[in-house]
Amino acid sequence: AQTVTQSQPEMSVQEAETVTLSCTYDTSESDYYLFWYKQPPSRQMILVIRQEAYKQQNATENRFSVNFQKAAKSFSLKISDSQLGDAAMYFCAYRRRWGSSNTGKLIFGQGTTLQVKP
Amino acid sequence: DTEVTQTPKHLVMGMTNKKSLKCEQHMGHRAMYWYKQKAKKPPELMFVYSYEKLSINESVPSRFSPECPNSSLLNLHLHALQPEDSALYLCASSQDTGAEAFFGQGTRLTVV
Repeated sequence: AQTVTQSQPEMSVQEAETVTLSCTYDTSESDYYLFWYKQPPSRQMILVIRQEAYKQQNATENRFSVNFQKAAKSFSLKISDSQLGDAAMYFCAYRRRWGSSNTGKLIFGQGTTLQVKP
Repeated sequence: DTEVTQTPKHLVMGMTNKKSLKCEQHMGHRAMYWYKQKAKKPPELMFVYSYEKLSINESVPSRFSPECPNSSLLNLHLHALQPEDSALYLCASSQDTGAEAFFGQGTRLTVV
């Protein structure tokens, strides 16, 4: 069974600085997706960034980038130039890509609460 | 438009009530999902609909009954709930079961 682990329950960062959130996962699959979702107090889960396992290049979306290490099964999120609006709970998630039992199920980590200090 | 709309935003119901949660998307997505989320925990998958057919039920109690009337709508019918069912219920959709999911804002359900 696939599992996702986020070992940092809480993190804090000063506004305008950089922070990295950690995520590791375990799977026997070779083809899958990894995601980072953000959930602010407004409750909506917002997709921040996605990475396809077959792509070696790390995904980037504006101030958000990932460090994807497939062999180490590591998928960290770097937030540059942190803003007050980045304060939220961040979830790392895994989804298998293909297969007869590809139900679309997202497997989430336990989440990391990010505080941004002004 | 990447919007998934859920109604109502808040719901308080008694243990003998029957109520329904509604979810709508107009992105042409063919997979839709219900998740349950407790405070400070990750969402837990309840149901998956693919092409309007129920493809996964994660051993959810029968007091939760999903329905997919068409490709844009997803309902969750609630009956005889327990206080421990109080949670945030999130709906999501994706182009297919292999693509990224987009979530609605959720319904905060309180069972009294």
